[in-house]
Amino acid sequence: AQRVTQPEKLLSVFKGAPVELKCNYSYSGSPELFWYVQYSRQRLQLLLRHISRESIKGFTADLNKGETSFHLKKPFAQEEDSAMYYCALKPQGTSGTYKYIFGTGTRLKVLA
Amino acid sequence: EPEVTQTPSHQVTQMGQEVILRCVPISNHLYFYWYRQILGQKVEFLVSFYNNEISEKSEIFDDQFSVERPDGSNFTLKIRSTKLEDSAMYFCASSSQMATEAFFGQGTRLTVV
Repeated sequence: AQRVTQPEKLLSVFKGAPVELKCNYSYSGSPELFWYVQYSRQRLQLLLRHISRESIKGFTADLNKGETSFHLKKPFAQEEDSAMYYCALKPQGTSGTYKYIFGTGTRLKVLA
Repeated sequence: EPEVTQTPSHQVTQMGQEVILRCVPISNHLYFYWYRQILGQKVEFLVSFYNNEISEKSEIFDDQFSVERPDGSNFTLKIRSTKLEDSAMYFCASSSQMATEAFFGQGTRLTVV
């Protein structure tokens, strides 16, 4: 079964502390993995995609096929990072279409 | 920067009534989607639409649901006879053939009473 699991509903860290938002997936092929962020009262926005291996707003995520994980990390959290974070999987062979499978999301709260 | 826009932002309707949720995708995009998120649950795929027809739909997207691109700019989701369990946030999204992401609208909160 295709599934994305985000085990933490809420993660609270202090400003300046490292952050790791966990994402595990279940998929038999080679999926594309994404992280979307939703700031308060705003739309879902793409934060990262694994194929580009980029760093956005200090966040990075590495696809670990052995552990089927795509954890999101940031070495020093900022208050403005407080938001809802969703891990999403796009199945292989769906080029051009974005039938994402989303996780349940993790709310990150960065405390002053 | 181009955005996907959705109207209304909040819709309240009585059970059994028909609702139409409207979306204006980004103008040069070719693929269109509806997702929904029941409060406290995950964002779920409903349907994708390309070349004026449904390309894929989930088991949630039953005969009560339909989508249409009536005029080349709007993309609508119709729910014929709403049920209480249809209460959710509905997100429209669009993508271009060459893009590596889908762009989401801000959502329409549907409340069925």
